Amino acid sequence: DTGVSQDPRHKITKRGQNVTFRCDPISEHNRLYWYRQTLGQGPEFLTYFQNEAQLEKSRLLSDRFSAERPKGSFSTLEIQRTEQGDSAMYLCASSFTGEGRPHEQYFGPGTRLTVT
Amino acid sequence: SQQGEEDPQALSIQEGENATMNCSYKTSINNLQWYRQNSGRGLVHLILIRSNEREKHSGRLRVTLDTSKKSSSLLITASRAADTASYFCATAHPFSGSARQLTFGSGTQLTVLP
Repeated sequence: DTGVSQDPRHKITKRGQNVTFRCDPISEHNRLYWYRQTLGQGPEFLTYFQNEAQLEKSRLLSDRFSAERPKGSFSTLEIQRTEQGDSAMYLCASSFTGEGRPHEQYFGPGTRLTVT
Repeated sequence: SQQGEEDPQALSIQEGENATMNCSYKTSINNLQWYRQNSGRGLVHLILIRSNEREKHSGRLRVTLDTSKKSSSLLITASRAADTASYFCATAHPFSGSARQLTFGSGTQLTVLP
């Protein structure tokens, strides 16, 4: 399978705990995005990387959230001191950018986080 | 914040009928994309239409774009039960310091009854 993969698929944690999610993009894709989706809503942008550089962060991304893409391949999203409001589906997407190339993003299956 | 708004929020049709979903957006775009999401799953890219295009086809899908009205429509012809899913429009905006991230609407839940 050469699509975007995410791990874990589901995570249940207690309020106050830290969690980390992993995303493996399509191998030749240089851009990687994180989105958050709550029930009944469309995904909302959190942050993105071009290769290993984190170039933009949404104001949705509080100080408790940190994302890395150390070698320009896989990425991790960590949430510290989780709150019940963090419960959502966390989606990762990747794309290949180039002159004149449209920005089709390919999404992974998501990690569903439940904070109790 | 959500830029696009899909209409209707929910649509229920019989198998074989056509389904039309509409999307409106607020600011200028580079392109508009439609995605499908089955319950609890990731999004699947369906079709992309550039801002200088007015209509595009892909299999049973037909997308139109009216930039003067800032709106798009997705038509699924000869619907099947397997088309049951949520459909989202997403817009990509001209580079002005933005990340080219997609801005999604809140989606249309399509149910195709056998």
